[in-house]
Amino acid sequence: GAVVSQHPSRVICKSGTSVKIECRSLDFQATTMFWYRQFPKQSLMLMATSNEGSKATYEQGVEKDKFLINHASLTLSTLTVTSAHPEDSSFYICSARGGTGSVGTNEKLFFGSGTQLSVL
Amino acid sequence: AQKITQTQPGMFVQEKEAVTLDCTYDTSDQSYGLFWYKQPSSGEMIFLIYQGSYDEQNATEGRYSLNFQKARKSANLVISASQLGDSAMYFCAMREGNTGNTPLVFGKGTRLSVIA
Repeated sequence: GAVVSQHPSRVICKSGTSVKIECRSLDFQATTMFWYRQFPKQSLMLMATSNEGSKATYEQGVEKDKFLINHASLTLSTLTVTSAHPEDSSFYICSARGGTGSVGTNEKLFFGSGTQLSVL
Repeated sequence: AQKITQTQPGMFVQEKEAVTLDCTYDTSDQSYGLFWYKQPSSGEMIFLIYQGSYDEQNATEGRYSLNFQKARKSANLVISASQLGDSAMYFCAMREGNTGNTPLVFGKGTRLSVIA
């Protein structure tokens, strides 16, 4: 099946630094990628939708200047947490879809393995 | 209003028994898809099963089946013959519309613990 590679899997950084998380589709072209955030014992909350070659669409309450998303190619989307603070510590996970199939088709999203960010 | 409601924060099941995880959804769209994912402690999201809104038969994937009751807007996951490795968080999710570019919206999840 399709594989989405996400790295790093775990990162610890100092407050004020920036962290880049990469999400790659390994064997398919991902026209759209989604970035989610998950706090401990919570559900996945959508942060933004990333379409290749265009600006990301952010969910309400998500600061686009803090969470920079770049989807420069059909196989790579990056999320950069700028000037990270301890409250940004969370589990970030990307997902990708390829093609333009309708919901009526069995089109599941493929998820990366997630990145646990800890900001000291 | 919540799009996906999972009312069971935690469930216990005896090994080899069947268990049902509840999920109800809210949408006014005619076209939508319902998904179940498993998230073990490692954090990865593992796709289990999918049900399209126009599918007339309940989806099945091995030991997983989805009890789809469209009129009641419920999409319960049934796991048969539970195994210790089934212990994990389970999320119900929905994608609305048919553009294919809409994200999944997740419920709060149910933590399943399988007891030997």
